[in-house]
Amino acid sequence: GDSVTQMEGPVTLSEEAFLTINCTYTATGYPSLFWYVQYPGEGLQLLLKATKADDKGSNKGFEATYRKETTSFHLEKGSVQVSDSAVYFCALGAYNTDKLIFGTGTRLQVFP
Amino acid sequence: DAGITQSPRHKVTETGTPVTLRCHQTENHRYMYWYRQDPGHGLRLIHYSYGVKDTDKGEVSDGYSVSRSKTEDFLLTLESATSSQTSVYFCAISGTESYEQYFGPGTRLTVT
Repeated sequence: GDSVTQMEGPVTLSEEAFLTINCTYTATGYPSLFWYVQYPGEGLQLLLKATKADDKGSNKGFEATYRKETTSFHLEKGSVQVSDSAVYFCALGAYNTDKLIFGTGTRLQVFP
Repeated sequence: DAGITQSPRHKVTETGTPVTLRCHQTENHRYMYWYRQDPGHGLRLIHYSYGVKDTDKGEVSDGYSVSRSKTEDFLLTLESATSSQTSVYFCAISGTESYEQYFGPGTRLTVT
């Protein structure tokens, strides 16, 4: 079945460092791909999305490119801030359903 | 922010008692979802609804039932709570783009 694999956390960075959070997927067909973010004590929020191969999703300085050849959707940001500290979830839209499949989440901690 | 609320926000209950969690939306969205979030598992879908009185099971539906008698309300019931159902429960809604989900603030349920 469809699945999403994310790198284990926590990822610990200093402010202004470069961020990469890896995400790979296994899926039927060509799913839409998403990154959601969860700040402490809150529900998830959609951060960015890509719906087809080579699409780049971007929002708030975060980017991710849909790579069909490597079945990946890695999240990147050039310069992280303390306020980016959160849990990041990679997800895919399961083919021919109305459901999202989530990865296990990666906690990011940014220190001043 | 999407108009989505969950009640109660926190609940402690005893093993064997029935529990109902409520999700309420003001967006008139078609799709509603119940997830549970547990460490190491990310988010897992319990049940979802694609319209009034139209519901379907997710990957962890055993021990849970749902009802949707109005567009705006989606109820999750634990008929006889067990300690394994201690978790944080999130409701989500989506409109025409079913994969773009908006999450409520969550309900922390503890079963003792």
